[in-house]
Amino acid sequence: EAGVVQSPRYKIIEKKQPVAFWCNPISGHNTLYWYRQNLGQGPELLIRYENEEAVDDSQLPKDRFSAERLKGVDSTLKIQPAELGDSAVYLCASSTYSGGREQFFGPGTRLTVL
Amino acid sequence: DQQVKQNSPSLSVQEGRISILNCDYTNSMFDYFLWYKKYPAEGPTFLISISSIKDKNEDGRFTVFLNKSAKHLSLHIVPSQPGDSAVYFCAAINSGGSNYKLTFGKGTLLTVNP
Repeated sequence: EAGVVQSPRYKIIEKKQPVAFWCNPISGHNTLYWYRQNLGQGPELLIRYENEEAVDDSQLPKDRFSAERLKGVDSTLKIQPAELGDSAVYLCASSTYSGGREQFFGPGTRLTVL
Repeated sequence: DQQVKQNSPSLSVQEGRISILNCDYTNSMFDYFLWYKKYPAEGPTFLISISSIKDKNEDGRFTVFLNKSAKHLSLHIVPSQPGDSAVYFCAAINSGGSNYKLTFGKGTLLTVNP
């Protein structure tokens, strides 16, 4: 069974530029999460989707961050414009349903904002 | 306010010995706990979990102990192997909440020396 797929794996941009990350969850997993992991910290939840509905986006900085999960499968997380403090690893995870407490993570996208 | 704390940033043990990684939490609403292992440039991988109705869960070389009164859990790895060298994250969930958000600690870097 294929795991969670993310692309790109690495991205370097200048501040004020836009950037987008893509995630394909494990087949059949209807719950999808985006986390941000800063250096030396644990992952922190940004947004959670149940199918195509964003059911928890309370931690998403909505002035510059946006996300979508069209058709309830793949998801895209966007930052526009990026700031220096956005440098982090962005992790996507999926689980079978909200009660599926074990979440399966992708390899992440390491973003560097210069 | 950090609700899940891993107070040891790093731990070094000899191959064949026991590794004990500790985790403390402050939120009494947490009722499910997970340990994740993370290798460099990879996403966290689920290792083992425990429900608050139990005080021990074992899976091969890995055992997690939960002390609810002390709000403390620990992961024991016996015997430790060089391939166990990784960052270990403790995470907690409030299953009674509506978001199934994993709250992570900062992680402990385990190094197993041959």
